[in-house]
Order: sequence, then structure tokens, then C-alpha cells
Amino acid sequence: NAGVTQTPKFQVLKTGQSMTLQCAQDMNHNSMYWYRQDPGMGLRLIYYSASEGTTDKGEVPDGYNVSRLKKQNFLLGLESAAPSQTSVYFCASSYGLAGVAYEQYFGPGTRLTVT
Amino acid sequence: RKEVEQDPGPFNVPEGATVAFNCTYSNSASQSFFWYRQDCRKEPKLLMSVYSSGNEDGRFTAQLNRASQYISLLIRDSKLSDSATYLCVVNNRGYSTLTFGKGTMLLVSP
Repeated sequence: NAGVTQTPKFQVLKTGQSMTLQCAQDMNHNSMYWYRQDPGMGLRLIYYSASEGTTDKGEVPDGYNVSRLKKQNFLLGLESAAPSQTSVYFCASSYGLAGVAYEQYFGPGTRLTVT
Repeated sequence: RKEVEQDPGPFNVPEGATVAFNCTYSNSASQSFFWYRQDCRKEPKLLMSVYSSGNEDGRFTAQLNRASQYISLLIRDSKLSDSATYLCVVNNRGYSTLTFGKGTMLLVSP
């Protein structure tokens, strides 16, 4: 099993460009999550999806959009990248059902730089 | 009070030492507790879940004190490979989401 995979591993964008970060899991997990991690800030939840076809905002959703069309995939979009979105982005998945928190398993991350 | 609070460290210890980390959480209704470790420039990885009665996994022991709302992690006989940042994690009541502490850095030296 590959677990949770993310593409790309690294990306450099210019301000105003758009891109989509891809996440896939092969554990048949119900829930998927997108986090960003910045120095001194810890992991912050951007969006999550408790089940296929549903998404909810996390702590820092502004400037991002997501889609969960298939159970195994969770996409994070940046419509118009800003330097403040320079960060490491982690995708995670868990068995978790709505209202129940299980342990989460993380992908290797995407290092994004916006110039 | 911050949702999940940890001493950022770093904790510098020699090989073979015993080291303990504490973490406090603010949501008294939290039900799920975990410790994760994160190596430099890597993803967080689950170290262990924390159960009400306390639990042990080899050299690692986790304890939960609901009355005082804190969680602890004890590492015995520290190894060089234990050098990492340890994240305290607590669930958000009513949601399938977790709140991560900012982590405590551990450096084990020869």
C-alpha cells in the first residue's frame, strides 16, 4: 500500500498563478484533510472532507478551494497564488466518520513557494 | 488558553536518558488523544494513541489526566533516532478533526 501520496513534491509559482495540489489515498478512508505548516505556527487545517462529495472549511480556508469527487482523491486549489501561501502543504486521511475523530495518516507534503 | 499547548523546547538529552513531555488542552469534552512525531522536513507520523488508563509501547509511555486536562509522553532510554519534534494532538468535539500542538523538539546527543 502506498498510503497517502501527494503531487507535486515541490512547486514554485508566481503571484497570481493558479494550481492544484493532488492527494490520493489507498486505505479506503472516509475522511481527508488539507493542512499547511509554517514555521512557528504548527499545522493548521485548511479544509476537510468527512465523506466523498462533502467538504468543510477549517481554520484557514481563505484563498483555497477543494474538491472530493472520488473517495480516494482530495484536491486543493489555489485560484490566485499569493506570497502568504508559501508553505508546506500536507494531506491526511483517516477512517473517521462524521463526528468521530480517528488517527490521521499523512502524505509526504508539497513545498510551495510563491514569488 | 490555547487549544493545545506544548513547551517548544528544545530538550537536549544524552543517549540513555529519560525525558518527559507534557501537553495541556483546553476542550474538556475532547475524547481522542494522540502523540505524533515529526522529523525535520518530513510528514507527521503517528507515534501512539493515548488511552484513559495510560498505555505503553516499548520505551514510550503515554498518560492522560482528564481532571487537569493534560497529556504526557515519557521516553525511556533515549536513542539518537528519537531526535524529532513531538506533536500533541487532541480531537475537536463533534467533528472528525484534530487540533495539533506546535510540538516539542527533542535532541538526543551521543
